[in-house]
Amino acid sequence: DQQVKQNSPSLSVQEGRISILNCDYTNSMFDYFLWYKKYPAEGPTFLISISSIKDKNEDGRFTVFLNKSAKHLSLHIVPSQPGDSAVYFCAASAQGNEKLTFGTGTRLTIIP
Amino acid sequence: EPEVTQTPSHQVTQMGQEVILRCVPISNHLYFYWYRQILGQKVEFLVSFYNNEISEKSEIFDDQFSVERPDGSNFTLKIRSTKLEDSAMYFCASRGTGLYYGYTFGSGTRLTVV
Repeated sequence: DQQVKQNSPSLSVQEGRISILNCDYTNSMFDYFLWYKKYPAEGPTFLISISSIKDKNEDGRFTVFLNKSAKHLSLHIVPSQPGDSAVYFCAASAQGNEKLTFGTGTRLTIIP
Repeated sequence: EPEVTQTPSHQVTQMGQEVILRCVPISNHLYFYWYRQILGQKVEFLVSFYNNEISEKSEIFDDQFSVERPDGSNFTLKIRSTKLEDSAMYFCASRGTGLYYGYTFGSGTRLTVV
């Protein structure tokens, strides 16, 4: 039951360039989307979120874009920094539902 | 910055034994959660807890699992009779009120069932 999919298990990006992480979902009831970052031996850390009433949300170097018709969202990190190297999870929730449904994650490596 | 604290960081137990995983959520948070991540797989929802009762649980959270908030600060997950397939990283999370869904997760407890 892969309601949230991250099709790229890994991504390498040069320091200073833009990192683009992608996520697709199938459940049209999802109306809130989040990105989490995870370092080894730590819990996921919330990065940025977006409600389905918006198509873009920006916070510093991080921007999330939502394309509802394509059921696709992406996280842009610019400029990429070495400390951004981590596993990034996309997650989604449906209104009135407490649980988050996570994707399988994308391991981002920033090359100095 | 406030954080969610989980203990122990690593627990090894024999199959069939009971384990209790402990969590101290952020003090003014009201909603509490357990998630788990089996090695190489995605993070999966187990249970949500609010106002001293379970508000939602997944199909994974069967009769072998229970949660409790025994003293107003701790939030525990008990697995009554562990199986090999319970081996996973277990994450506790909490959040405050409002529409903000950006839970704060703890660092996790790695449970190994042998």
